[in-house]
Amino acid sequence: DVKVTQSSRYLVKRTGEKVFLECVQDMDHENMFWYRQDPGLGLRLIYFSYDVKMKEKGDIPEGYSVSREKKERFSLILESASTNQTSMYLCASRPPLSYEQYFGPGTRLTVT
Amino acid sequence: RKEVEQDPGPFNVPEGATVAFNCTYSNSASQSFFWYRQDCRKEPKLLMSVYSSGNEDGRFTAQLNRASQYISLLIRDSKLSDSATYLCPTVNTGTASKLTFGTGTRLQVTL
Repeated sequence: DVKVTQSSRYLVKRTGEKVFLECVQDMDHENMFWYRQDPGLGLRLIYFSYDVKMKEKGDIPEGYSVSREKKERFSLILESASTNQTSMYLCASRPPLSYEQYFGPGTRLTVT
Repeated sequence: RKEVEQDPGPFNVPEGATVAFNCTYSNSASQSFFWYRQDCRKEPKLLMSVYSSGNEDGRFTAQLNRASQYISLLIRDSKLSDSATYLCPTVNTGTASKLTFGTGTRLQVTL
C-alpha cells in the first residue's frame, strides 16, 4: 500500500512566521505535488517536483517555496505566513507510468 | 472559463436512489479522466478511471463524451456510505502530468 504522510494534521501559526509543511512517501515515487484546498475553489496546485532538487510552479505559487532534497520528502515552505494562507494543504505523489495520485491526510493550517 | 467545472451541490438523495453527476472540461486536448472521492475531512482517493468506451465498477458507471467535453458518474442503489464529495480531475500531459481539479460535487445520501 502506498503511504503518504504529512507532518501535522492541524497547525496554528501567527502572521509573519515561517512555516514548514513536510510530506513523506514510501514508494520511491519521482513525482510529488502540493495543493491547497479551499471551499468553493477546489484543489489548486501550488508546486510540484518531478525529481530530487527539481521543482516547478503550479497554478498558485505566490507566497510559497518548496524543497526536495531527498526523493521521499517534499517540503512546502511559507516564508512569511499570512491569513490568506489559512487552508487545507494536501500533498500527493504519483508513480511512474500512472496518472493516479496518492494523497496524504492533509494539514489544516490556520494563520492568525 | 475554468478548466474543470462541476455543480458543487449538495445533491441530497434517499438511500437506494440513482444519482448522476456531470463534469465539464475546457481543454479539448485532455486525454485522461478520473473520478476521485473525498470523504469529509479526509484526503481524495481514486474511485475509478474513465475510459472512452465507458466503464462500470459495481454500482458506479463512468462515461466520457468527448464531443461535448464532459464526463459523468452514475451511482445506482445509493448507500449512506456513498456520501462524499466527488472530484473529476483531468490530466495535463507534460511535465509530471498534473491533475487539474474542479470544486467537486457533494453527495448526501439520507435514510
